[in-house]
Amino acid sequence: GIQVEQSPPDLILQEGANSTLRCNFSDSVNNLQWFHQNPWGQLINLFYIPSGTKQNGRLSATTVATERYSLLYISSSQTTDSGVYFCAVGKEYGGATNKLIFGTGTLLAVQP
Amino acid sequence: ETGVTQTPRHLVMGMTNKKSLKCEQHLGHNAMYWYKQSAKKPLELMFVYSLEERVENNSVPSRFSPECPNSSHLFLHLHTLQPEDSALYLCASSLNRVGYTFGSGTRLTVV
Repeated sequence: GIQVEQSPPDLILQEGANSTLRCNFSDSVNNLQWFHQNPWGQLINLFYIPSGTKQNGRLSATTVATERYSLLYISSSQTTDSGVYFCAVGKEYGGATNKLIFGTGTLLAVQP
Repeated sequence: ETGVTQTPRHLVMGMTNKKSLKCEQHLGHNAMYWYKQSAKKPLELMFVYSLEERVENNSVPSRFSPECPNSSHLFLHLHTLQPEDSALYLCASSLNRVGYTFGSGTRLTVV
């Protein structure tokens, strides 16, 4: 099966700092999503980004599908950015469903 | 709220109990999923449903039994669980390849 590796596994930042999280995957995929899991367990979808670049406020993501990696950029980090960031790659079934394979995540702690 | 609602939020059950987890979405999505999240492990897909029909079962033990009566509701029936089944159980829904949305999860403890 497809392997998804994320780095770094842990990251501590001071508020206001920038960071880059990386996701490598072992095979061609047609779907890639980034999620943030807050300390209470809620997973929030940040980006659907099988290729190209997207931006949403202080967050942006780039996927280079041909080289099998994706990057998540966090600028001017805030304490509310703390939590675990997951990359997940997708595999279609019959056009309607979408099996996501998750990486092990990057645990981010932003200190005031 | 994400639009995917899971109940209960917390559940403690004995190994001989039978309980059910419920998931409800009103986003107009056409697929629903159960994921298991254990400590120090990636999220594991358990079941996938599309149009109320199970598409995939990732070799999940039979003590977990899913039910999808319609496109808005998904259940996970639990019986004779083991302590190692303690985990966060997450429901998600999607509309084709986009809009993947998770519920808040049920924190299950088996004693």
